[in-house]
Amino acid sequence: DVQLLESGGNLVQPGGSLRLSCAASGFTFSSYAMSWVRQAPGKRLEWVSAISGSGGDTYYADSVKGRFTISRDNSKNTLYLHMSSLRAGDTAVYYCAKLPRYYFDSSGPGDYWGQGTLVTVSS
Amino acid sequence: QAGLTQPPSVSKGLRQTATLTCTGNSDNIGNQGAAWLQQHQGHPPKFLSYRNNNRPSGISERLSASRSGNTASLTITGLQPEDEADYYCSAWDSSVSAWVFGGGTKLTVL
Repeated sequence: DVQLLESGGNLVQPGGSLRLSCAASGFTFSSYAMSWVRQAPGKRLEWVSAISGSGGDTYYADSVKGRFTISRDNSKNTLYLHMSSLRAGDTAVYYCAKLPRYYFDSSGPGDYWGQGTLVTVSS
Repeated sequence: QAGLTQPPSVSKGLRQTATLTCTGNSDNIGNQGAAWLQQHQGHPPKFLSYRNNNRPSGISERLSASRSGNTASLTITGLQPEDEADYYCSAWDSSVSAWVFGGGTKLTVL
């Protein structure tokens, strides 16, 4: 079975940094693109970032471009999201999602999702 | 960023049929169709269907998706208590080359 387990969420002050991790199992990790999607309390889902199977192609929402960096370690079957210059508006549950293909494209928003990890940005 | 429009809530009786709608534009739903996700309170989203009616294995046949122009619909027949959840639509938006989501519809089974 496909399993995705996020970790790293925490309370952080505005302007601070945090790194999220997503440990994957149950599928050939390097064969699929991966994505981060967040959900602020009581708000809609918002796509944040995505990365191709090899890690060579990365994509970001305008709201996080220049502040967040997505990466992956295919030898460890792990996806990462490094977040810096955090703002109150970044407070959300962050989900990692497996995408249906090798590249980030129109094939689907995520066929498997993790349980999420909570990031709270507050002083 | 472009977004999709969903009614905030729908209420239907047990064993009735509910149709949830999602409105976008020609850059998203009108171009590529919509995906549907189900989210129970306190749980992660679960992928239900994409491109009109492609359901992953294990998803109930009581669910069916369709599209007409820039509007996508998810129909759930024979409503059961476990169908009570939030339902989100999502579509690939070619104007931003990214997935956009609707605000979600809370389905209540009476």
